[in-house]
Amino acid sequence: GAVVSQHPSRVICKSGTSVKIECRSLDFQATTMFWYRQFPKQSLMLMATSNEGSKATYEQGVEKDKFLINHASLTLSTLTVTSAHPEDSSFYICSARDAGSTNLNEQFFGPGTRLTVL
Amino acid sequence: GQNIDQPTEMTATEGAIVQINCTYQTSGFNGLFWYQQHAGEAPTFLSYNVLDGLEEKGRFSSFLSRSKGYSYLLLKELQMKDSASYLCAVRAKAAGNKLTFGGGTRVLVKP
Repeated sequence: GAVVSQHPSRVICKSGTSVKIECRSLDFQATTMFWYRQFPKQSLMLMATSNEGSKATYEQGVEKDKFLINHASLTLSTLTVTSAHPEDSSFYICSARDAGSTNLNEQFFGPGTRLTVL
Repeated sequence: GQNIDQPTEMTATEGAIVQINCTYQTSGFNGLFWYQQHAGEAPTFLSYNVLDGLEEKGRFSSFLSRSKGYSYLLLKELQMKDSASYLCAVRAKAAGNKLTFGGGTRVLVKP
C-alpha cells in the first residue's frame, strides 16, 4: 500500500523557536496533502489542506502566518511552526491522497510528529 | 458545520463483540470512514461506507444508515491488540470533501 513518512518523529524545542515538519509520499504522487493536529485524548483536527504548486487552504481559527505550509513538489509538503509556544505542543499528522489512483476515498496517514515546546 | 458524536470509552472482554456507534449531522454527506488509532501512532483505515447497509471485512464490519445519520463499527472475536481508539470520520461536499473526525472511542479489551 501507499506509504507516507514524516520527519522528525519527535522534536523538543524551546519557546520562540521555529520547527519544520516534513511529510513525504514515498511511492506515489500527492497533489493534495492534509495537516492535522491532535491533542492528548482528543481527535484529529484538520489544520490546513496543502496543494502542490499553490497556496494552502487553512481551516477557520488556524493562523496561516504561524503555521507555514509549503507543498513544493508532488511528494513533499512541509509544515513550519513559527515562534512555537508551549500551547503548540501536540501530535501533528499529515495525510495524502494518491493523485494517480481512481480511489479517491482513501487518505494515507503519516506516522505523526510529536512536538514538545518547553 | 458538522457534528459527529461517538462514545468516549468502551470496555469489552477478549473474544467478545463490541459495537461502536457514531451519529452525525452534516450537509452534503459523501461518505463515512472508520479508522483505528493506537496510542502515539497515526490512524489506519478500517472501512468506508457511502451507501446504506453493512460492509464486512473479516472481524470488522461497518454499517450505515444515511436517513438516520448513523453508523456503527462492529468488532468481533476481540483480541487484546484491538485495544485502541476508533475514529469515525465524515466526508461532506459542503466541507469541500474534507474529512471531519469525531472525538474517537477508546476501546479497552480485557482478558
